[in-house]
Amino acid sequence: DIQVTQSPSSLSASVGDRVTITCRASQNIGSLLNWYQKKPGKAPKLLIYGTSTLQSWAPSRFSGSGSGTDFTFTISSVQPEDFATYYCQQGYKTPPYSFGQGTKLEI
Amino acid sequence: QEQLVESGGGLVKPGGSLRLSCEASGFTFRYYYISWIRFAPGRGLEWLSYISGDGNNAKVADSVKGRLTVSRDDAKNSLYLQMSSLRDEDTAVYYCARNDGSPTEAFDLWGQGTMVTVSS
Repeated sequence: DIQVTQSPSSLSASVGDRVTITCRASQNIGSLLNWYQKKPGKAPKLLIYGTSTLQSWAPSRFSGSGSGTDFTFTISSVQPEDFATYYCQQGYKTPPYSFGQGTKLEI
Repeated sequence: QEQLVESGGGLVKPGGSLRLSCEASGFTFRYYYISWIRFAPGRGLEWLSYISGDGNNAKVADSVKGRLTVSRDDAKNSLYLQMSSLRDEDTAVYYCARNDGSPTEAFDLWGQGTMVTVSS
């Protein structure tokens, strides 16, 4: 099974900061990496799929990059509504579908 | 409006059983694989199971194999998760989520979740 390791587990930021989260897969997954945003008490929302394609609802301050085993998620200028937990998920050789451990973005 | 709505969660004793339901609306249910995924604080998101649009292909994660069974009823636009021999560590919010059908295997539509608490 493919494992995904996400870092950091938590991140402190202020409004307007640029933040970056990384996700590393245990083997080459090409570009089959997705990102989700989860807020307390709410379901996760798909934010980015296929490494870098934004869902229609997602603002352009969110971006993703990478390939193979190393991936990056960036918020160019954090807004108050962005404080949440972010998860990566690999979509290669599934099932099982493995998620990263999550990164909590907090003030 | 595309929607998934879970139900059936609650408090159950260790060793007990529970059946969760997921009702879909606003899209052609039989075209999609649907997964069950759970979330527990401190443990994050864990994929549990999926079933194909025609119901002929179902998989369960090794961690819960033998205790969870997934099924669907397209006439009712519904998906079910039968859970048995429940343990404390099964306490979580259980979501059904739609597999988007693309090579990226993303989950593009989620229900609001149903809480399962396993406790004596």
